[in-house]
Amino acid sequence: EPEVTQTPSHQVTQMGQEVILRCVPISNHLYFYWYRQILGQKVEFLVSFYNNEISEKSEIFDDQFSVERPDGSNFTLKIRSTKLEDSAMYFCASSVGTGLLEQYFGPGTRLTVT
Amino acid sequence: AQSVTQLDSQVPVFEEAPVELRCNYSSSVSVYLFWYVQYPNQGLQLLLKYLSGSTLVKGINGFEAEFNKSQTSFHLRKPSVHISDTAEYFCAVISMDSSYKLIFGSGTRLLVRP
Repeated sequence: EPEVTQTPSHQVTQMGQEVILRCVPISNHLYFYWYRQILGQKVEFLVSFYNNEISEKSEIFDDQFSVERPDGSNFTLKIRSTKLEDSAMYFCASSVGTGLLEQYFGPGTRLTVT
Repeated sequence: AQSVTQLDSQVPVFEEAPVELRCNYSSSVSVYLFWYVQYPNQGLQLLLKYLSGSTLVKGINGFEAEFNKSQTSFHLRKPSVHISDTAEYFCAVISMDSSYKLIFGSGTRLLVRP
């Protein structure tokens, strides 16, 4: 069964460093999402992406964040200058379209900022 | 704006007992409703969803949920749980105002004891 994959599973970085989290969505999916879950808190929406542009973003998704689909398979989330409060589990998701609405989630990348 | 409330942070239950995980939502527009499950060290997996039609929806692994519009609830139930059902369960909504972001509750940890 097709699945969303994410790499790395765990990333440790120092405050102020740039990180890139990578996701490979399901191949025929057209909508892509990033969510995050700070330890002990809710899963929060960050951004949705369709047709090579951002469809919607939350107030969390400030200028430090960016997303890109550099080729036909990868979908990346970049944090330009990490802060301690960026430490969280980051989930990528994809959906085939808006009609079915089902979003398939990857296993997540745990980001630890020290 | 939409919000989702899961009042129970943890629900302990004995194996083969029935269980109900509660979910209430608040929204000024109609919503679609979802339950996701997260097993340890895995991503979120869709259990079931309510889009329209019958208010009782059946999902995977023997779970079902009932949409109650007047009470703005979407409680998840299973008549007989197994040890393997131990996981975190998230209720979520998507609003019908063309936003496709999932808004999650804080999650309920179901702990099934032998």
